[in-house]
Amino acid sequence: AQTIHQWPVAEIKAVGSPLSLGCTIKGKSSPNLYWYWQATGGTLQQLFYSITVGQVESVVQLNLSASRPKDDQFILSTEKLLLSHSGFYLCAWSHRSNSDYTFGSGTRLLVI
Amino acid sequence: GDSVTQTEGPVTLSEGTSLTVNCSYETKQYPTLFWYVQYPGEGPQLLFKVPKANEKGSNRGFEATYNKEATSFHLQKASVQESDSAVYYCALSDRMGTGNYKYVFGAGTRLKVIA
Repeated sequence: AQTIHQWPVAEIKAVGSPLSLGCTIKGKSSPNLYWYWQATGGTLQQLFYSITVGQVESVVQLNLSASRPKDDQFILSTEKLLLSHSGFYLCAWSHRSNSDYTFGSGTRLLVI
Repeated sequence: GDSVTQTEGPVTLSEGTSLTVNCSYETKQYPTLFWYVQYPGEGPQLLFKVPKANEKGSNRGFEATYNKEATSFHLQKASVQESDSAVYYCALSDRMGTGNYKYVFGAGTRLKVIA
């Protein structure tokens, strides 16, 4: 069975500090990978997607970047956090052949 | 562009009553329609999907019919329970030429069921 693991579970960071969030998918080769952001009480906004190692497409510009260094790993990062980066970050994967998403349990980020 | 509009929450119901969460969508393509459910502190999870018009999807007592003519996909449950308290998202997905699926989520409807 496939599993998706996100880390860390939660972070409190200062404005201007760097950030790195991780996501690993086990049990599935060559998944499509996605990063989503959810403001408190808000809807889900797709940030990035990747269909293969080393290739990441940006959907929304939020002063964030993403990378896929390995087939099963997806990283979200920034060198300087803004207050507006606070929220719930979700990683998701899907098969190439269909669009069903499986979401991770998310990372809650508070920027102060 | 594509859009999904759903019932604005929060919705508060008593246990045993019926639920309808309206969902309307706009797209020029032929999407698959989804309902996702998100419990507090967790990521959304797929409730069910319907890839074809005029078909019905269902899971855990929830159901919705893909109405292409009305561009609607309303979520219904005959008798809600306290454990159904969650946020419900309607979504559509279209396949893109790049191999990615474009997903559009509605704003979410928070449901609270009281005993």
